[in-house]
Amino acid sequence: DTAVSQTPKYLVTQMGNDKSIKCEQNLGHDTMYWYKQDSKKFLKIMFSYNNKELIINETVPNRFSPKSPDKAHLNLHINSLELGDSAVYFCASSHGTPRREQYFGPGTRLTVT
Amino acid sequence: GIQVEQSPPDLILQEGANSTLRCNFSDSVNNLQWFHQNPWGQLINLFYIPSGTKQNGRLSATTVATERYSLLYISSSQTTDSGVYFCAVDSNYQLIWGAGTKLIIKP
Repeated sequence: DTAVSQTPKYLVTQMGNDKSIKCEQNLGHDTMYWYKQDSKKFLKIMFSYNNKELIINETVPNRFSPKSPDKAHLNLHINSLELGDSAVYFCASSHGTPRREQYFGPGTRLTVT
Repeated sequence: GIQVEQSPPDLILQEGANSTLRCNFSDSVNNLQWFHQNPWGQLINLFYIPSGTKQNGRLSATTVATERYSLLYISSSQTTDSGVYFCAVDSNYQLIWGAGTKLIIKP
């Protein structure tokens, strides 16, 4: 069974479109995250979220928004896609705070043309 | 904010060799994690090690929190060890990541 899953694995779209990436975890964790990995492999936290608090990295444009229908899901919605949004996006989860071990999904490679 | 530096940036070894990867951080941290990103992009949690030493098979890690560094040891390297190794530290309830060490194990 996949612990943290993401769909789609690949996403190719044009500038200006709106897209969503879905994430689900079956680990029973209560905190989920979205990370962006750029072409140089640098990983940067975008959001961390549990049912009590959303922590947003201040450098993330407000075109990006996390949406959580329940504890097991944290989707990433992106409006008005730009070329610079091309990257690999990872979802992760942990039990409790980010100070606990984090488990990652397989990533979604987003290409904006 | 806290800075995380990893060394070396790149490492090429023959199968069977041993290696040591280093992670330095600029401030005290509450936890430190080591991850392996394999050539297919999957990120795998190797160690959760805020202090002390842990071992898992051919891999072990040591964190000396008072001196602000952690070491990841890989013994008897295999080609499947290839990939990028990241350390990440907790700062203000968010993980801050190093730039990684790219390891290539040649058969």
